[in-house]
Amino acid sequence: AQKITQTQPGMFVQEKEAVTLDCTYDTSDPSYGLFWYKQPSSGEMIFLIYQGSYDQQNATEGRYSLNFQKARKSANLVISASQLGDSAMYFCAMREGGKVTGGGNKLTFGTGTQLKVEL
Amino acid sequence: GAVVSQHPSRVICKSGTSVKIECRSLDFQATTMFWYRQFPKQSLMLMATSNEGSKATYEQGVEKDKFLINHASLTLSTLTVTSAHPEDSSFYICSANPGRGSGANVLTFGAGSRLTVL
Repeated sequence: AQKITQTQPGMFVQEKEAVTLDCTYDTSDPSYGLFWYKQPSSGEMIFLIYQGSYDQQNATEGRYSLNFQKARKSANLVISASQLGDSAMYFCAMREGGKVTGGGNKLTFGTGTQLKVEL
Repeated sequence: GAVVSQHPSRVICKSGTSVKIECRSLDFQATTMFWYRQFPKQSLMLMATSNEGSKATYEQGVEKDKFLINHASLTLSTLTVTSAHPEDSSFYICSANPGRGSGANVLTFGAGSRLTVL
């Protein structure tokens, strides 16, 4: 079974609009972390936002917010006021287990969503 | 912020040759680094966990003798693709956790190395 599922291979959004990128996850571990990374065409992986499984509030980082619904095992990324520079591939990822050092840091990635921001 | 440097960014080699890719943590020490592989328009797949001073831990299905990993210091891990073939052509990207500040939970990635085997 897929541990991270991103069902939207591609999304379009108009500039200045908000967009939601979907991510569902599967784990039996009570302690885990969820991440969103952006990958522009240059290939680098840019960290956007993090949500811990025990965090009570949804994470926010500037224009990025994470809609964390634990019971539904979903961690959707919301980008507000989209900009042309937001066009990129977006990956949802999960770290299982509470250990955040050493080998416990490995991430499992979803298949990604290609976002295109249009004028 | 924490920086992971990866070199070379692009490499083209002939089939049968070996290629070494370096991953350095520039302003922090990393006892563990992770090597991922990404095929075009696909996700990142973890290949192995590089452990400083000990053997790497490989994911299922990854050939240890094909992808040699050496983590000789706290700031450097290398991935050597031995006897490369066209099917090894891919984007290889490393990562490490700076383990400090607000980024204590977050893996920092290198810029990646695009390998093309002719």
